[in-house]
Amino acid sequence: GAGVSQSPSNKVTEKGKDVELRCDPISGHTALYWYRQSLGQGLEFLIYFQGNSAPDKSGLPSDRFSAERTGGSVSTLTIQRTQQEDSAVYLCASSLSGTGGYEQYFGPGTRLTVT
Amino acid sequence: EDQVTQSPEALRLQEGESSSLNCSYTVSGLRGLFWYRQDPGKGPEFLFTLYSAGEEKEKERLKATLTKKESFLHITAPKPEDSATYLCAVRGGSNYKLTFGKGTLLTVNP
Repeated sequence: GAGVSQSPSNKVTEKGKDVELRCDPISGHTALYWYRQSLGQGLEFLIYFQGNSAPDKSGLPSDRFSAERTGGSVSTLTIQRTQQEDSAVYLCASSLSGTGGYEQYFGPGTRLTVT
Repeated sequence: EDQVTQSPEALRLQEGESSSLNCSYTVSGLRGLFWYRQDPGKGPEFLFTLYSAGEEKEKERLKATLTKKESFLHITAPKPEDSATYLCAVRGGSNYKLTFGKGTLLTVNP
């Protein structure tokens, strides 16, 4: 079946501009996660959705970062007033549920470059 | 706070030369230890989940094992196509997120 998809695959933006990153999870997966992967760093958790609610936003680095999920499916991660330190690969993952030890399946990522 | 340390950072093998990758972890109430493979420019690909000490799982040339403090990913007779970064992650009892190590970059030369 179809895996997790993300768009765009690459995004180059100027410092100070806003960007939106999109994630389509695997059909039927109620849990959705955003992570960030920077050069030399491990994957860093950003936010978790169960359905349309976000019980854990603890990884969002600043109030410039926000995310929403609609219809229990598609999610959008928005970064306002982008800074150079926001340059990274943003990865989305989904799992059957947020509870239990279900594995998370990742999308291909969006590579964000802030110039 | 959950912590994961992977070693070595990089490993270079000759085709057919078996070896192991290590993942040491500290977690409160393990809900799962996960191994992923990541190829350049791609997202992590799920390999295994281990839930309790003593558990083992196998897939082709890969075998993952788990103790109370660490996990090993054993690679038997590797091929060049096994070259990738291997990531280990844990999920603790009160968390929904995965905490990842920085990975081991495996290169298998023909």
